[in-house]
Amino acid sequence: GQNIDQPTEMTATEGAIVQINCTYQTSGFNGLFWYQQHAGEAPTFLSYNVLDGLEEKGRFSSFLSRSKGYSYLLLKELQMKDSASYFCAVKDSNYQLIWGAGTKLIIKP
Amino acid sequence: SAVISQKPSRDICQRGTSLTIQCQVDSQVTMMFWYRQQPGQSLTLIATANQGSEATYESGFVIDKFPISRPNLTFSTLTVSNMSPEDSSIYLCSVGSLPENTEAFFGQGTRLTVV
Repeated sequence: GQNIDQPTEMTATEGAIVQINCTYQTSGFNGLFWYQQHAGEAPTFLSYNVLDGLEEKGRFSSFLSRSKGYSYLLLKELQMKDSASYFCAVKDSNYQLIWGAGTKLIIKP
Repeated sequence: SAVISQKPSRDICQRGTSLTIQCQVDSQVTMMFWYRQQPGQSLTLIATANQGSEATYESGFVIDKFPISRPNLTFSTLTVSNMSPEDSSIYLCSVGSLPENTEAFFGQGTRLTVV
């Protein structure tokens, strides 16, 4: 079966760094995506990894290791507005997007 | 980027009735996706809508219950038919972009409550 695991909830402090991990077991791999969703709003695309390594985009970075079936989203210099749910999603061999259950990130002052 | 206008934003409907949700995109896109999301839960794909062909439905979703139209490259509708309280959810449309036509942009969502 297809499975994506990520922590249900994480808490971090404003100004700090937080790493949200994602492990996956899918039938094939055609890219890993991270999305952010604020409460009551639509998801927004954050990042895409298809090759191993780190992709940096401002305060956000995403890492992928295909051999380990592992990714993480790194958020630096946390701001209160980063409080949201973060979803890891993998595109499988059929090019279907498999979604994780999401990680609710709570930022405290 | 693409701007998606989805409506209605919310509705309260009687059981047994149907609701049609509209999704309008400001540019032509090949693939559009319809999702359902329970509050606090992940997204579940209902179907993929391609212009000029029948929508492709995921396991557990059927055309009679969720008919989809895709008359052109900028518009799609999803109808939730013969509604029951179990259909209460948030419905989202999304358009494909990025690599492999992946879901890149989402509509604001339709919060449906069936009473």
